Amino acid sequence: GESVGLHLPTLSVQEGDNSIINCAYSNSASDYFIWYKQESGKGPQFIIDIRSNMDKRQGQRVTVLLNKTVKHLSLQIAATQPGDSAVYFCAERFGNMLTFGGGTRLMVKP
Amino acid sequence: SAVISQKPSRDICQRGTSLTIQCQVDSQVTMMFWYRQQPGQSLTLIATANQGSEATYESGFVIDKFPISRPNLTFSTLTVSNMSPEDSSIYLCSVGLAAADTQYFGPGTRLTVL
Repeated sequence: GESVGLHLPTLSVQEGDNSIINCAYSNSASDYFIWYKQESGKGPQFIIDIRSNMDKRQGQRVTVLLNKTVKHLSLQIAATQPGDSAVYFCAERFGNMLTFGGGTRLMVKP
Repeated sequence: SAVISQKPSRDICQRGTSLTIQCQVDSQVTMMFWYRQQPGQSLTLIATANQGSEATYESGFVIDKFPISRPNLTFSTLTVSNMSPEDSSIYLCSVGLAAADTQYFGPGTRLTVL
C-alpha cells in the first residue's frame, strides 16, 4: 500500500467546512514559498505559491498567508471537498533549492 | 507547467543490485532535480542534475551511491547503486522552468528493496 503520510500529523474536517493547514519555515532569507498536494500514489502537485514581498495570495478555493515575522505559512481551503483529502507540504526556496516541511494529512469526512 | 514521466513507476529489487530510474519531460527545462521520499516522510533533495556536467549533490548524498546523468534538456536518470532495504523510498524527479519559479514533480518511482 501507499506509505506516504503514515506518520504525519492529521487534520480531520467535515465536508463543506474550511480547512487551515499550518507550516513553520526555517530560513528568514527564503524568498518564495509553495504549497503542494500529494495524493496517494502520486507525485506532489503544485497548488499555490507566494513571494516573500506578499502576505496573502488567493486562488480558486485556496488562500495562502505568509507571516515573515514568525516564519509561518498557512494554507486555507474553503468548502473542503472529499477530493481535497491528501498530504499537504509547504516548501521554501532559497537560491535554487527547495526545502520541504514535514507535511500534514488532510482527511475530509463526508 | 510541464508533463513529466518516470520509469519504472515501481520496482522490487534485491539487496546489492542497482536500479536506474528515468525522467522524461515533454519540453526543454532549465533545472532538473531528484528527490527521495522515505516512508511516512517529507521530500529530501538528493541532487541537482546539470546538463553537460556533473550533478550537484546535497549533504548526505554521494555520486558513487546515486550517479546521475543529464544528457540533454529533457531527460535525466538517477541510479540507486548497491541497494539495501534502507533505500526503499519513493524517488521523484522535478523540473524548474525558466519562466516560472516553482518546481513541478513527476509521478515518482516506488522502490522496495528486499
